[in-house]
Amino acid sequence: NAGVMQNPRHLVRRRGQEARLRCSPMKGHSHVYWYRQLPEEGLKFMVYLQKENIIDESGMPKERFSAEFPKEGPSILRIQQVVRGDSAAYFCASSPLLNTGELFFGEGSRLTVL
Amino acid sequence: DQQVKQNSPSLSVQEGRISILNCDYTNSMFDYFLWYKKYPAEGPTFLISISSIKDKNEDGRFTVFLNKSAKHLSLHIVPSQPGDSAVYFCAAARGAQKLVFGQGTRLTINP
Repeated sequence: NAGVMQNPRHLVRRRGQEARLRCSPMKGHSHVYWYRQLPEEGLKFMVYLQKENIIDESGMPKERFSAEFPKEGPSILRIQQVVRGDSAAYFCASSPLLNTGELFFGEGSRLTVL
Repeated sequence: DQQVKQNSPSLSVQEGRISILNCDYTNSMFDYFLWYKKYPAEGPTFLISISSIKDKNEDGRFTVFLNKSAKHLSLHIVPSQPGDSAVYFCAAARGAQKLVFGQGTRLTINP
């Protein structure tokens, strides 16, 4: 299965801990996007990355959140010092180099902050 | 700043009838529009798209209509089937950049 792979699917953290979410894009895809879905809401754009570059991080909270897409390995969304309001489903999507606009989504990582 | 809006949180349709989901946008620079379908505990899956140079695109039971002057698009599903029950998100993009999503409409198809 060459789909977008996200892990972990479920993550539980206590307030103040760190959360790391990983995303491996589809084979041949060089663009990665992270979206967040809060309960009963739509998907909110967070960040758009290409290999080793952050292209657009306009949706990222200014503090505690960071993302990377290294030359080797998956993209990582890192949330430091988590708070209850960070509880959400985090979706990763990828697209090929010549993007038609369509994004291919993973199944999401559900973060619960106790 | 909600650039893409789906004003109906939910819609209930009888099996076999037509389902019409609506979406409005405010940014006239958007030139590509998509519909995604999402089942619980799964990621969104692409359904159908339309570029701003067209006003209609059809794929099997699914048709998307775009009215640029009204900044409105709609998704028609006919005939509706029980497996169509899901949350539907419309999304818009400017060029090959990030998608902006609406809040979603939960469609329920009743037997």
